[in-house]
Amino acid sequence: DSGVTQTPKHLITATGQRVTLRCSPRSGDLSVYWYQQSLDQGLQFLIQYYNGEERAKGNILERFSAQQFPDLHSELNLSSLELGDSALYFCASSVDPVGSYEQYFGPGTRLTVT
Amino acid sequence: SQKIEQNSEALNIQEGKTATLTCNYTNYSPAYLQWYRQDPGRGPVFLLLIRENEKEKRKERLKVTFDTTLKQSLFHITASQPADSATYLCAPHTGRRALTFGSGTRLQVQP
Repeated sequence: DSGVTQTPKHLITATGQRVTLRCSPRSGDLSVYWYQQSLDQGLQFLIQYYNGEERAKGNILERFSAQQFPDLHSELNLSSLELGDSALYFCASSVDPVGSYEQYFGPGTRLTVT
Repeated sequence: SQKIEQNSEALNIQEGKTATLTCNYTNYSPAYLQWYRQDPGRGPVFLLLIRENEKEKRKERLKVTFDTTLKQSLFHITASQPADSATYLCAPHTGRRALTFGSGTRLQVQP
């Protein structure tokens, strides 16, 4: 158990809809990262927050947004969903702002868009 | 642009042998390099971190080398076991930008 929790585990929704994925980092970790992993694809970095502030942005679509709350949990919002958004979404946390230390990954949320 | 290359073909070895996985990178100079293990449908699990001033690092049956001249890291699992079967991801990191992962190499250890 990494100490990182993600909810829900599974999500099935229709195209055009909006969903929110939630992540609670490991106790003491200030950085939260979001990744997307499509079937048979590598991990694609989406966005990072550190202590409530956006720290780094990767290949995140404009239809996607995220935030980190004062209690350090984070939410990833996906809107106007398309079939191609079906993927595993992972959240990870670490102690530092630049990812120089190991990241601890949650179990993921499997999103299926029909 | 920065590029990370891991062998996309699966590596099949016999139980008890040493597995060696390769990670090559181009167009940047990482200060750190991390290795993770990922099982199907699960989140990656951190294994080892090696810094640019460390040539080699060991943890139990795992050994990682980091050659900044060759721009390459090798990941070894000695006395491999079927339970070591998984995908292994490398992540070279400059310390200034977010971590970028290679696409991973799938290891299959046959009993």
